[in-house]
Amino acid sequence: DGGITQSPKYLFRKEGQNVTLSCEQNLNHDAMYWYRQDPGQGLRLIYYSQIVNDFQKGDIAEGYSVSREKKESFPLTVTSAQKNPTAFYLCASSRDAGANVLTFGAGSRLTVL
Amino acid sequence: AQSVTQPDIHITVSEGASLELRCNYSYGATPYLFWYVQSPGQGLQLLLKYFSGDTLVQGIKGFEAEFKRSQSSFNLRKPSVHWSDAAEYFCARGGGGADGLTFGKGTHLIIQP
Repeated sequence: DGGITQSPKYLFRKEGQNVTLSCEQNLNHDAMYWYRQDPGQGLRLIYYSQIVNDFQKGDIAEGYSVSREKKESFPLTVTSAQKNPTAFYLCASSRDAGANVLTFGAGSRLTVL
Repeated sequence: AQSVTQPDIHITVSEGASLELRCNYSYGATPYLFWYVQSPGQGLQLLLKYFSGDTLVQGIKGFEAEFKRSQSSFNLRKPSVHWSDAAEYFCARGGGGADGLTFGKGTHLIIQP
């Protein structure tokens, strides 16, 4: 079955460390997205990519970086510059950038110790 | 900027009773509207979507939603809830652009026996 795989499910890191969250999709979707979820805050867009080798900042990109070297993959790096990285991170994809129907992965929970 | 408002943070409903979750969106041309559901620690699942046409849309799990342009609303309804409906519900809108969806902050649904 097609879908989005996020790994790891749970991740702990010490302050000052960078960490990379994996997102892989086998839906043949062009567009991919990273959202951050905090309790009571809904989902906020970090980065999005319409096509391979292209990505754009979302509303809260500071302290994060991404790459899109392959259509299937859109990893997110949470850098030490992110002041409050503890959150639930959701990756999503859509058929194309204007389709707007997002399919989500199961999420990754990052906790900074 | 586009915005989505879900006025109710928590709603408690008795099992078997009817349900209505409220959603208001900021005015804009051609709103694409969605309802997603999230179980604890999981990703989001699409319940239904509205792009155009019939203003009453049917979704999965017995849910429906009605688009009312005059009220800028897209409320979610279910005639009889089941204990398994307990979850977080998110309303979202897209504008057909490349930057994905704008989400409300969510409504936490509690089902009483």
